[in-house]
Amino acid sequence: EVQLVESGGGLVQPGGSLRLSCAASGFTFSSSEMSWVRQAPGKGLEWVSYISSSDSTIYYADSVKGRFTISRDNAKNSLYLQMNSLRAEDTAIYYCARAIPGYRLLFDYWGQGTLVTVSS
Amino acid sequence: EILMTQSPATLSVSPGERATLSCRASQSVSSNLAWYQQKPGQAPRLLIYGASTRATGIPARFSGSGSGTEFTLTISSLQSEDFAVYYCQQYNNWPSVFGQGTKVEIK
Repeated sequence: EVQLVESGGGLVQPGGSLRLSCAASGFTFSSSEMSWVRQAPGKGLEWVSYISSSDSTIYYADSVKGRFTISRDNAKNSLYLQMNSLRAEDTAIYYCARAIPGYRLLFDYWGQGTLVTVSS
Repeated sequence: EILMTQSPATLSVSPGERATLSCRASQSVSSNLAWYQQKPGQAPRLLIYGASTRATGIPARFSGSGSGTEFTLTISSLQSEDFAVYYCQQYNNWPSVFGQGTKVEIK
């Protein structure tokens, strides 16, 4: 069974940092392209960042470019999102999502999400 | 960045009735359009990709159509478990963009 389990969310002050993790199981993580997608409270979905299976290709949404860093550890079946210089508008549930093989940005499995709240 | 516009924002439908949801792209996304369903407190679930291909395990009452800039998700006979928010997503261009969602509620 495919499982994606996010962790690392919490309350952080504006300007602070947080590192999210996503533990993957039930599929060949090292062959899978992954993304982070977020959802502000009561709002829609926003794609945040993408990383290829070998981390040779990385993309970011303009809203987080220069502040967030996506990475992965295939030996640990884990995906990460380092978030720096956090702003109130970064408050959201952050989901990690697996891309269907061959489709970089089409997501067949999602984690349950981890809530990040940026507030003083 | 491509803009995805969904309509209506809210759709009130009685169980057993047909629901038709629309999604419009600001420029062509070919057939690289997906639909997701999201229930409260849950992650999104992939329903349709390639504009019209049902994902694994999705019931036949869900169907998608369209190409280019105009797309439709049809639920032929609404079941109680179908009341949820539905999002379209274009995955043709970077960045991928989701529509703002259509809430399907019980009439």
